[in-house]
Amino acid sequence: GAVVSQHPSRVICKSGTSVKIECRSLDFQATTMFWYRQFPKQSLMLMATSNEGSKATYEQGVEKDKFLINHASLTLSTLTVTSAHPEDSSFYICSATKGPMNTEAFFGQGTRLTVV
Amino acid sequence: AQSVTQLDSQVPVFEEAPVELRCNYSSSVSVYLFWYVQYPNQGLQLLLKYLSGSTLVKGINGFEAEFNKSQTSFHLRKPSVHISDTAEYFCAVSQTSGSRLTFGEGTQLTVNP
Repeated sequence: GAVVSQHPSRVICKSGTSVKIECRSLDFQATTMFWYRQFPKQSLMLMATSNEGSKATYEQGVEKDKFLINHASLTLSTLTVTSAHPEDSSFYICSATKGPMNTEAFFGQGTRLTVV
Repeated sequence: AQSVTQLDSQVPVFEEAPVELRCNYSSSVSVYLFWYVQYPNQGLQLLLKYLSGSTLVKGINGFEAEFNKSQTSFHLRKPSVHISDTAEYFCAVSQTSGSRLTFGEGTQLTVNP
């Protein structure tokens, strides 16, 4: 199989604090991981593409200093929401692919972030 | 650039009825096409994908989709739905294998008893 695990599944934090979300490929090496954001009743919007050992590529309009992405190994990528505000409250989902020729992306369970 | 349009935001049906969820795409190059299902507060699960070859693709849970290049469509169908099929369904495209996905707006399928 190909399992992607996201942690935590839910997190509540205070405004101004930072939150780290982990995305792990449990049984395969993920050369590329993607981070999406999903607002209620809406589609997934790609935030950034993360390649192991290099800087993430952010989509237009996504603040790279606010959403820090680290892909330190072939099985782990992290998204840190810095100085969180209520408008950052959302559902964050990661996905991973096995390699450049792989046609399927495997998704994590998602993380519900609520900033109060 | 590529885009995906899911024509119906909500589709209510009765149990054991057939269903079709519509998806149209636009792209200047060849694409791969996908359908994903999302249950509440969960990630996405792949239902099926079209890469090449036969235009009729069969997926999990009894779903199938047909790629129509001339109409740039990739509609999802199931001949008889169950209550457990109630979920959000997303159509998506990518230009090359392993590349970024562009998602449609999603269709909420609600199966009523």
